[in-house]
Amino acid sequence: NAGVTQTPKFQVLKTGQSMTLQCAQDMNHNSMYWYRQDPGMGLRLIYYSASEGTTDKGEVPNGYNVSRLNKREFSLRLESAAPSQTSVYFCASSERSGIHPYTGELFFGEGSRLTVL
Amino acid sequence: QKEVEQNSGPLSVPEGAIASLNCTYSDRGSQSFFWYRQYSGKSPELIMFIYSNGDKEDGRFTAQLNKASQYVSLLIRDSQPSDSATYLCAVKAGNTGKLIFGQGTTLQVKP
Repeated sequence: NAGVTQTPKFQVLKTGQSMTLQCAQDMNHNSMYWYRQDPGMGLRLIYYSASEGTTDKGEVPNGYNVSRLNKREFSLRLESAAPSQTSVYFCASSERSGIHPYTGELFFGEGSRLTVL
Repeated sequence: QKEVEQNSGPLSVPEGAIASLNCTYSDRGSQSFFWYRQYSGKSPELIMFIYSNGDKEDGRFTAQLNKASQYVSLLIRDSQPSDSATYLCAVKAGNTGKLIFGQGTTLQVKP
């Protein structure tokens, strides 16, 4: 089993370009998440999908869109990249539905390092 | 005010000492609390979770939760150089699906 797979692992964009980060999990998990990590800021939640067919905003959703394509896949799109979106992006999944009071362990992908010039 | 707060550190302890990491949260409806460890350049990995007030022990790690004070901590006994990492506190926000992380505390264990 691969767990959580993110692509691409590295990407350099110019300001104004668009791109999509792909994430897939093979653990039959219900919930999926996108976080960004900047130095000294910990992990900040961008969007999450508590279960297939639902998506909700996290702490820092501006400038991003998401699609829960099916139970396995959750993509993150930057429509018009800005230098402030330079970051490491992590996708994660969790077995339990997000509305369960005792959310289970998050399994993380290896991260995608994005640089916007 | 950030929903989950940690001291960013670094926290430096000698090998064999007890490391104490602290976290406060703002949402009184929070029910699930987690500690993740992240080595430099790697993904976070879960080391402890706690749902009920009190202490929960797992090997050298003890998680402590005080919901009245909105405080959760992680104690690492007999600290080893391999424990040097960033420790992230995470809290599930109320009845939503959101899992919110603190900014992380960097721990340095010196031989």
